Amino acid sequence: DIQMNQSPSSLSASLGDTITITCHASQNINVWLSWYQQKPGNIPKLLIYKASNLHTGVPSRFSGSGSGTGFTLTISSLQPEDIATYYCQQGQSYPWTFGGGTKLEIK
Amino acid sequence: QVQLQQSGPELVKPGASVRISCKASGYTFTSYYIHWVKQRPGQGLEWIGWIYPGNVNTKYNEKFKGKATLTADKSSSTAYMQLSSLTSEDSAVYFCARGDGELRGFAYWGQGTLVTVSA
Repeated sequence: DIQMNQSPSSLSASLGDTITITCHASQNINVWLSWYQQKPGNIPKLLIYKASNLHTGVPSRFSGSGSGTGFTLTISSLQPEDIATYYCQQGQSYPWTFGGGTKLEIK
Repeated sequence: QVQLQQSGPELVKPGASVRISCKASGYTFTSYYIHWVKQRPGQGLEWIGWIYPGNVNTKYNEKFKGKATLTADKSSSTAYMQLSSLTSEDSAVYFCARGDGELRGFAYWGQGTLVTVSA
């Protein structure tokens, strides 16, 4: 199975900050990487697909980059509604696997 | 609009089985994969497997073979997941999600079904 190592596991930042979450795959996953946002008690919401493509309706302050084994999710100009846990997920090979999550808090 | 409506919470005894449903609407049910994902309380996400309603082919995460059985009913546009021989480790929220080939990810999710295994 492909392991997805996500870091940091938690992050505290101030409103207006730019933050970066990283996801490292244990083997080459090309660009088959998605990012999700999950707020407490809610379902995961797709933010980014194929590493860098913004899903419909997602604010442009979210962006993704990377290929191969290293990927990043960047949130610029942090807003209060961005408080959530973020997950990466690889779709290169089965079983599809998720990162362990990054819990984002506002200072 | 695409909607995936899951069945309600379940409280089941250890050793029993449970079947969760996921009713699809707003798209052609037989043209998209339905995936299932597990989330234990306060934990991350685990992919269980998929079913393709068009031909009822299935694929499972090896970890869930023997635990989960995926089926689909084209006539009602409903996918099902049966979980058997339940233990406390199976207590979790289970999501169905539509697979979009272009994404290799999930743009549409059901609201989740909480399964609690307790005597």
